[in-house]
Amino acid sequence: DAKTTQPPSMDCAEGRAANLPCNHSTISGNEYVYWYRQIHSQGPQYIIHGLKNNETNEMASLIITEDRKSSTLILPHATLRDTAVYYCIVRVDNTNAGKSTFGDGTTLTVKP
Amino acid sequence: DAGVTQSPTHLIKTRGQQVTLRCSPKSGHDTVSWYQQALGQGPQFIFQYYEEEERQRGNFPDRFSGHQFPNYSSELNVNALLLGDSALYLCASQPQGVGNTIYFGEGSWLTVV
Repeated sequence: DAKTTQPPSMDCAEGRAANLPCNHSTISGNEYVYWYRQIHSQGPQYIIHGLKNNETNEMASLIITEDRKSSTLILPHATLRDTAVYYCIVRVDNTNAGKSTFGDGTTLTVKP
Repeated sequence: DAGVTQSPTHLIKTRGQQVTLRCSPKSGHDTVSWYQQALGQGPQFIFQYYEEEERQRGNFPDRFSGHQFPNYSSELNVNALLLGDSALYLCASQPQGVGNTIYFGEGSWLTVV
């Protein structure tokens, strides 16, 4: 699985959009970009994933650059409960794709 | 619909002892993976089980072993515990097939003293 690079920490004001970047310059054509978040002492929670196209769900939007070497997770209206560690991972999405390689993530702090 | 459940939630063991952690996957999921997460770090892949066999393994010594049962539940066993084995142990499950999301349990906190 390709390695990802994320800033160690970011701050965001409550109610504003949080934009979390991720670099994955060695991503392969069959690797998806996944985002998870982990609130203190809990298990990682799935947020969103995509291959090439931008994706949106009820939690967030995922913007993937055309060359697929980087992506941005957007939380449109951050709340205090969005304070967490956010992990960007890339993995092959096939029948044996249990292995996910996590980095150290970005600690997002949402401030009132 | 219960998600991924793990037990116990917390436990303390002495160096040299053995520990068994348990995981029940989300309903409809037949593949289970285990991760170790040290304090302040991201989860590290230990191994994955499907059809009661270990399918993939990360860079962990043979002291770490596992098992999957016919009902898809799984156990993680760690022998000869070291202080460095203290961590949050996460179980993740997914159904086989393309495009399936991995769901994590809340983890088992292991402290080795």
